[in-house]
Amino acid sequence: RKEVEQDPGPFNVPEGATVAFNCTYSNSASQSFFWYRQDCRKEPKLLMSVYSSGNEDGRFTAQLNRASQYISLLIRDSKLSDSATYLCVVTIQGAQKLVFGQGTRLTINP
Amino acid sequence: DGGITQSPKYLFRKEGQNVTLSCEQNLNHDAMYWYRQDPGQGLRLIYYSQIVNDFQKGDIAEGYSVSREKKESFPLTVTSAQKNPTAFYLCASSPPGTLSRGYTFGSGTRLTVV
Repeated sequence: RKEVEQDPGPFNVPEGATVAFNCTYSNSASQSFFWYRQDCRKEPKLLMSVYSSGNEDGRFTAQLNRASQYISLLIRDSKLSDSATYLCVVTIQGAQKLVFGQGTRLTINP
Repeated sequence: DGGITQSPKYLFRKEGQNVTLSCEQNLNHDAMYWYRQDPGQGLRLIYYSQIVNDFQKGDIAEGYSVSREKKESFPLTVTSAQKNPTAFYLCASSPPGTLSRGYTFGSGTRLTVV
């Protein structure tokens, strides 16, 4: 079983729609959680950290469910510029490294 | 501005050649990492280093080598033993003692075997 699993998509949604991504992780000792965004042929960039209480940054909302080992990202009022691959990332206690999911590809259509 | 610089941006290698990818950071980060990305496979860890003169193998270290002689530099050599080296290579770093803020990535090197 992969340490971090995501639905690879692709997701194709119209501009203005709400879209949700899910991610599961297998190691219960995972400590920190992130969503990264990666544009085509570019490096990943940190979109937001994910906190136990859930957190919001503008149109983006991240949720963490430690009991189910599940992370989600919600994008409201999607823009054309939101088209990218979204990577779910976790750290594992003592491992001193980030573990990446394979990414979910999102395309926003005009 | 602080950041991570990877060079070259594009690199072409002939069969049987060793090539070295450069990674330099001026963020004063202790930890540095090398990942490989293939289409549809996400990022896979090759090597990482927590301090100068020390490094550990990641999940796919075979056919690669690294050195960490300076805090700022973590070059990756792709040897002829790496049978399928064509990929996008990403270098990253993280602040001392914590991963709670994630990584900072360089802009990557795209390696192609010709």
